[in-house]
Amino acid sequence: EDKVVQSPLSLVVHEGDTVTLNCSYEVTNFRSLLWYKQEKKAPTFLFMLTSSGIEKKSGRLSSILDKKELFSILNITATQTGDSAIYLCAVEEAGANNLFFGTGTRLTVIP
Amino acid sequence: DAGVIQSPRHEVTEMGQEVTLRCKPISGHNSLFWYRQTMMRGLELLIYFNNNVPIDDSGMPEDRFSAKMPNASFSTLKIQPSEPRDSAVYFCASRPERGELFFGEGSRLTVL
Repeated sequence: EDKVVQSPLSLVVHEGDTVTLNCSYEVTNFRSLLWYKQEKKAPTFLFMLTSSGIEKKSGRLSSILDKKELFSILNITATQTGDSAIYLCAVEEAGANNLFFGTGTRLTVIP
Repeated sequence: DAGVIQSPRHEVTEMGQEVTLRCKPISGHNSLFWYRQTMMRGLELLIYFNNNVPIDDSGMPEDRFSAKMPNASFSTLKIQPSEPRDSAVYFCASRPERGELFFGEGSRLTVL
């Protein structure tokens, strides 16, 4: 059974569009949720979320966590071709130090 | 800091051969992870170490896979004998006590 489910699996948009990526999870003792961006090589860190309702923001990217409904969203506004990547969501369980990754959302931004 | 360092970056080998992948974590990080990534299955955790001790190896596919961490600055993932279905990108990652995971550049393995 998958502990972390991301949707959509893939998405194609035009430059300037706004996108919302979804991540739902099911873990016993939640500690944190992390978002990563993976272009051609290694995943790079975007956000770590631990508290519900507090938005994390970095430029055109923002993310929020809902611990009651067990999901997070990643928003990208005014998308650019450089945003094309796989976006990975990972969830950490308390006491385990392990991260469970979803399969990712592949975003393609067309000029 | 140089980040997580993996070698080799690319490896092409024939079925049945032994493959050894190497990783140097970021200094001061006490947890090290080995992941495998494929198009079909995404990023899968193989094993992780905490303070050089293997904590969870339930993701290791079978006895052909083994991992060691003899000290805080080095780990290996070995596949013996290798099979074509082992072809994937293998990532090593490390993290401090609480914080984000830092990934290496990955080792792309192709088994013919």
